[in-house]
Amino acid sequence: DAKTTQPPSMDCAEGRAANLPCNHSTISGNEYVYWYRQIHSQGPQYIIHGLKNNETNEMASLIITEDRKSSTLILPHATLRDTAVYYCIVRLYISSGSARQLTFGSGTQLTVLP
Amino acid sequence: GAVVSQHPSRVICKSGTSVKIECRSLDFQATTMFWYRQFPKKSLMLMATSNEGSKATYEQGVEKDKFLINHASLTLSTLTVTSAHPEDSSFYICSAERTAEQFFGPGTRLTVL
Repeated sequence: DAKTTQPPSMDCAEGRAANLPCNHSTISGNEYVYWYRQIHSQGPQYIIHGLKNNETNEMASLIITEDRKSSTLILPHATLRDTAVYYCIVRLYISSGSARQLTFGSGTQLTVLP
Repeated sequence: GAVVSQHPSRVICKSGTSVKIECRSLDFQATTMFWYRQFPKKSLMLMATSNEGSKATYEQGVEKDKFLINHASLTLSTLTVTSAHPEDSSFYICSAERTAEQFFGPGTRLTVL
């Protein structure tokens, strides 16, 4: 799976958009970009994933550059409860019944400030 | 979303004892579950892949005789830390995958005195 690079920490004001960048310059054509977050002392929580098109769900938006070498996770209106470590992970898409582990990097510690 | 539970959430034990941690997928079947370990201020590290009905696959450096994994059903995997020592104190997290999304349990905090 391709390696990812993320800033170690970021701050964001409550109510503002949080934009978390991720570089994955060695990503291959059949690898997806996944985002998870981990609130302190809890298990990681799935946020969103995508291949090449931008994706949006109730939690966040994922913007992937055209060359797919980087992406940005956007939390449109950050709240204090969004304070967590955010992990950007790139891995091959798996078909049903063929699970693969996730390789976690260091992630970005997002702190939402009141 | 799918739910994965772990039990216990927190355990304190004496050095030399064994501790069993359960991981359950509550509303789906998982032929494969993963066990991770996380030390303070560090990222999650994969320990082993648990396969229903077969032997687990361990990552390099993880002792299979110390960390016993049993995946006896499609909804339950157990991790037993045998003869635990203080250096085994950590946050143990399991996960199970359903339709390309991996769902994580809430974690088990193990403290070995």
